[in-house]
Amino acid sequence: RKEVEQDPGPFNVPEGATVAFNCTYSNSASQSFFWYRQDCRKEPKLLMSVYSSGNEDGRFTAQLNRASQYISLLIRDSKLSDSATYLCVVNSEDSSYKLIFGSGTRLLVRP
Amino acid sequence: NAGVTQTPKFQVLKTGQSMTLQCAQDMNHNSMYWYRQDPGMGLRLIYYSASEGTTDKGEVPNGYNVSRLNKREFSLRLESAAPSQTSVYFCASYKGQTNNEQFFGPGTRLTVL
Repeated sequence: RKEVEQDPGPFNVPEGATVAFNCTYSNSASQSFFWYRQDCRKEPKLLMSVYSSGNEDGRFTAQLNRASQYISLLIRDSKLSDSATYLCVVNSEDSSYKLIFGSGTRLLVRP
Repeated sequence: NAGVTQTPKFQVLKTGQSMTLQCAQDMNHNSMYWYRQDPGMGLRLIYYSASEGTTDKGEVPNGYNVSRLNKREFSLRLESAAPSQTSVYFCASYKGQTNNEQFFGPGTRLTVL
């Protein structure tokens, strides 16, 4: 089993739609959780950290469910510019310095 | 403030050739990382350096060596390149505290023929 698993997609949605991605992780001791965004042929960039109580940043909401070991990302009112690959990231079980990246979920927002 | 820089941006090698990928950061971060990214595989950690003077293997270290030259610079060397090392290589740095993000360089696209 992969340490971090994501549906690769692509999710193809119209502008203005709400879309949700889920991610599961295997290490129950993980303490740090993130969503990164990666545009085509570019480096990954942090979208948001994920906190136990859930957190929101504008149109983006992240949730953490420790009991079920999954993380979610909700994007409301999708924009064309949201088209990208979204990477789910958790810290490694053997070191807080090491991050484990999911393979990513591709989002395509169409006009 | 350039963040994380990498050179070269692109490289084509023949099997058996060697090369060094350079990475530098100007954010005074303690930890630095080398990843490779292949289609459908996500980012995989090759080596990392938690602090100046230390290096550790990641998930896929075979065929690579690293040097943490100083706090700013972390290089990745391929001693004898193989076609399986064709990939996009990203360097990253990290301040070292929980929930602080890793910052990535723009990547090096390497093709080994």
